Amino acid sequence: DIVMTQTPVSLSVIPGQPASISCKSSQSLMHSDGKTYLSWYLQRPGQSPQLLIYEVSNRFSGVPDNFSGSGSGTDFTLKISRVEAEDVGLYYCLQSLQLPYTFGQGTKLEIK
Amino acid sequence: QVQLVESGGGMVQPGRSLRLSCAASGFTFDTYALHWVRQAPGKGLEWVAVISYDGNIKSYADSVKGRFTISRDNSKNTLYLQMNSLRDEDTAVFYCAREVWGWAAPHHPGYWGQGTLVTVSS
Repeated sequence: DIVMTQTPVSLSVIPGQPASISCKSSQSLMHSDGKTYLSWYLQRPGQSPQLLIYEVSNRFSGVPDNFSGSGSGTDFTLKISRVEAEDVGLYYCLQSLQLPYTFGQGTKLEIK
Repeated sequence: QVQLVESGGGMVQPGRSLRLSCAASGFTFDTYALHWVRQAPGKGLEWVAVISYDGNIKSYADSVKGRFTISRDNSKNTLYLQMNSLRDEDTAVFYCAREVWGWAAPHHPGYWGQGTLVTVSS
């Protein structure tokens, strides 16, 4: 199975400041169709997860543009340009290249 | 709008069975692949299973293979997860999730239900 490793485990950010989360996969997530199947999810406290970014850098419907994704191969990053109070929660990366799909262990974002 | 409502959770003894349901509305059910994802208390997300839009392709996490069965009834707009030989470590909130795009390979669980809690305990 592909192992997904997220860092940091947690981060505390001042509102208005940027934040960055890293996700590394144990093998390349590029498919033969040319797409790279790496997604990012946010789970706010007490809520279901929501899709933020798919295929590395594509924002899902309704996701504000202060969220961005980048990376390739095995190294990926989620960036929040200016953290707001509503961004608090757990962030997960997901590889959906190879079954069984696997999530990273999660990164907890708090407001300082 | 897309709506997914899970049900069937509850408390069950180890070794027993439980069937979860996920009732869907707001979209053409039989054109989308569907996933089950779970989250143990205080833990991260674990992908469990996926079924193609027509039900012909199914895949499972190693931790549930041989014990859980995913299925769907396109006439009832409902997804199921039959869970047999339940273990303590199966205790979790189970979410169903719909693929973002229809008629597509299941790479993007994009719309999620609110989850149903399964507790396995003697």
